[in-house]
Amino acid sequence: GAVVSQHPSWVICKSGTSVKIECRSLDFQATTMFWYRQFPKQSLMLMATSNEGSKATYEQGVEKDKFLINHASLTLSTLTVTSAHPEDSSFYICSALQGVGNTEAFFGQGTRLTVV
Amino acid sequence: AQKITQTQPGMFVQEKEAVTLDCTYDTSDPSYGLFWYKQPSSGEMIFLIYQGSYDQQNATEGRYSLNFQKARKSANLVISASQLGDSAMYFCAMRERQTGANNLFFGTGTRLTVIP
Repeated sequence: GAVVSQHPSWVICKSGTSVKIECRSLDFQATTMFWYRQFPKQSLMLMATSNEGSKATYEQGVEKDKFLINHASLTLSTLTVTSAHPEDSSFYICSALQGVGNTEAFFGQGTRLTVV
Repeated sequence: AQKITQTQPGMFVQEKEAVTLDCTYDTSDPSYGLFWYKQPSSGEMIFLIYQGSYDQQNATEGRYSLNFQKARKSANLVISASQLGDSAMYFCAMRERQTGANNLFFGTGTRLTVIP
């Protein structure tokens, strides 16, 4: 199947700093990518939908100024957690859609962010 | 209302036995897709099986089969001949076609433990 690479797989940062997470589709073009957040022992919650060349669509309750999403090319979307705080510590995972309709979404490996 | 409901927080199964993980869904969209993903402790989301709302036959993929009962709005995952490596979190998810959003709605997951 298609491969989605997410980097880094884990990161520890100091409170107040910013962290960038990359999501790349390696062997296909993804016009749409999704960013999810997962708290321990909970489900995946959609944060935003990232469309190539346009602004991301954020879910209700997600601060767009805090979670900056850029989808500059058909193979790369980035999520930047700005001015991170300990409550931002979580597992962030991206997925990329290959094709349209009810097709499989491919997931990255996820990024475990710890803010100290 | 929850779009995806998984009522089993945890399940145990003896190695080599079959196990059924429950999933019910709620949608008014006539066209939708149902997915099952496996999430091991490493965090990545591994696609297992897909069922389209118009598919007449139940989906099967190796040891995985989906018991699709449309009238009951259920899409249970059956794992046959369980292996120790099947121990993981399992998420049921749905994509609605009418909204055009293409994102997946996830259930809360079921933690499966395979006992030797």
